[in-house]
Amino acid sequence: EVQLVETGGDLIQPGGSLRLSCAASGFTVNSNYMSWVRQAPGKGLEWVSIIYSAGGTYYADSVKGRFTISRDNSKNTLYLQMNNLRAEDTAVYYCASMVFGVDVYIDFWGQGTLVTVSS
Amino acid sequence: SYELTQPPSVSVSPGQTASITCSGDKLGNKYACWYHHKPGQSPVLVIYHDFKRPSGIPERFSGSNSGNTATLTISGTQAMDEADYYCQVWDSSTGNVVFGGGTKLTVL
Repeated sequence: EVQLVETGGDLIQPGGSLRLSCAASGFTVNSNYMSWVRQAPGKGLEWVSIIYSAGGTYYADSVKGRFTISRDNSKNTLYLQMNNLRAEDTAVYYCASMVFGVDVYIDFWGQGTLVTVSS
Repeated sequence: SYELTQPPSVSVSPGQTASITCSGDKLGNKYACWYHHKPGQSPVLVIYHDFKRPSGIPERFSGSNSGNTATLTISGTQAMDEADYYCQVWDSSTGNVVFGGGTKLTVL
């Protein structure tokens, strides 16, 4: 059974850093395309970042230069390093595995972890 | 950057058909998928490849995509279908995943 469990969400001050983790089971992270998606309070879903099975990475313009997606194959875990956090980064962050072929979609989601950026 | 536009809200009576649209430039040239998202839960894929249903998704969910518009149709809508619905595509020109703004479906 596929499972994705996010951890690391916290209350953090503006300008601070935080690292989110997503532990996967039932499949191997490094053989999949993996994304982070967030939902700010009262807002819709926003894609944040993707890492390809071959290692390439892409970011939404809103986080480019501040966030870094990575993975640890030995721990079968996906990460999101978030630096220089802003109030507008406050959101529930979901880890997601993607099908990436003729079309591209998310087949499994984690339960989400809450990041609150506030002084 | 590529954008997808959805109506903020759609209302439907129980048992009737709900249609939720998603608009984007030449959207019919891409494959669209749809998720429903209930408060406090993780999103769930209900349609992929424009019209395909994942296992476990009821037959009352269907999809289409042509021209500039993709449509999610829910036939015989039930109270349990009340949720936020999001369309999503992949923008090959940027490598970005793109979500629509979401549509709140109210069953009343």
